[in-house]
This record gives sequence, structure tokens and C-alpha cells, in this order.
Amino acid sequence: DAGITQSPRHKVTETGTPVTLRCHQTENHRYMYWYRQDPGHGLRLIHYSYGVKDTDKGEVSDGYSVSRSKTEDFLLTLESATSSQTSVYFCAISAGQGAKRGQETQYFGPGTRLLVL
Amino acid sequence: DAKTTQPNSMESNEEEPVHLPCNHSTISGTDYIHWYRQLPSQGPEYVIHGLTSNVNNRMASLAIAEDRKSSTLILHRATLRDAAVYYCILRDDRIQGAQKLVFGQGTRLTINP
Repeated sequence: DAGITQSPRHKVTETGTPVTLRCHQTENHRYMYWYRQDPGHGLRLIHYSYGVKDTDKGEVSDGYSVSRSKTEDFLLTLESATSSQTSVYFCAISAGQGAKRGQETQYFGPGTRLLVL
Repeated sequence: DAKTTQPNSMESNEEEPVHLPCNHSTISGTDYIHWYRQLPSQGPEYVIHGLTSNVNNRMASLAIAEDRKSSTLILHRATLRDAAVYYCILRDDRIQGAQKLVFGQGTRLTINP
């Protein structure tokens, strides 16, 4: 199994409070991703990172920010949580294998269940 | 982006083979076909991928049609642990850098004891 951990694994918070989710990898992979999974929508990309301090938006980035100050850590922050951000959040990593782009696989963490009341 | 179509659900019996179909009629020549699965309460995990030729690994086999417009994931001898949602995803070999995975609804596979 790829060395990916997510913390916390479960969180309950109130509307309007800030929340930070952490993804930690031990694989030294270049790319890291945050997805959310909701019933009826499958997994959707929130943000991703292609190196330390290098990040970009995915398809559902509104209301979220990210930071990556070290290769191994990718943080997802909900500045002011809303009930619509209740979801399961998955972090993923990939190596970025140059000429083998189409063959690159992503490895996923165990997920964080977030409930915003 | 090329899209994939999969049945919403399938059911099989333990220790029998399972064939999970995926249609991708608009696939381009540079698209690799990837399969991931998601076990209950877990993150997705990679299963197998291929371009043109059939592929085998310890988890499954991937059969790709000659025109590449469809593929089939084959679990040779299903176990209860194979009950999961299976996703067929196309990955473009031309795109550099980070590639988001576009997950559809997948096929929910139920295995009966």
C-alpha cells in the first residue's frame, strides 16, 4: 500500500468555522490531489499540487484553499465551512512519470468524513 | 474528453468469473484505459490499465476490443472481497503533468456467497 495518511479521519464541525484536513505521504511523489465524494456525483477534483508551493484548482474549488510547504504534506482548508461541504474527502498522490503519462496511476488515502452542521 | 459508459450494477456468485463491460466509443489513439475500484468505506484503488493489447495482473485481466471502443475487466474467480464499485477511466498520454481522474458512476458489483 502507498504510504498515504489523512487526518482527521472523521470530523464534525459547525457552519462558519474553519477546518483544515491534512494529507501526508511517505512516497516522495510529486503530485498530490484532493477529491470530494458525494452521492450521485462520484469523485470530483477540488485542488491539486504539482510541487512544493505549486498548486492549481480543480473543478469544484470554490470555498476551498490548499497549501503545500513540504513535499510530504498537502493541506486542504475550508475557510468557513458550509453544510454543502459535508462530504468524504480523499487525498491522492502520483509520481509523474514523464514519458509514461498515460500509464500513471494514482494512489488514494483512506478518506476523511466531514460533517458540517 | 472521451467519456465512458458502464452498467450501474452487476451481480455474480462467489468463485465464478465476472466480466465488467465499459464502452468508450470516442476514445482517442492516445488514451489509456484504466480501471479502479472502490471497496466499501475505502478510497479508490488501481486495478489495471492497457492501451491496445489485453493485459493481465494478479488482480484481474483487461480485454480490449480491436477497435478500442470497448473493454472488459475480468475477475477470474470472484470473492466476497471483490464486491466494490468499479470505475473505467480514460487517461490521455499527451497531457503533461498532473492528470485529474474523471470518475463516472461506475458499476456496483455485488458478489453472492
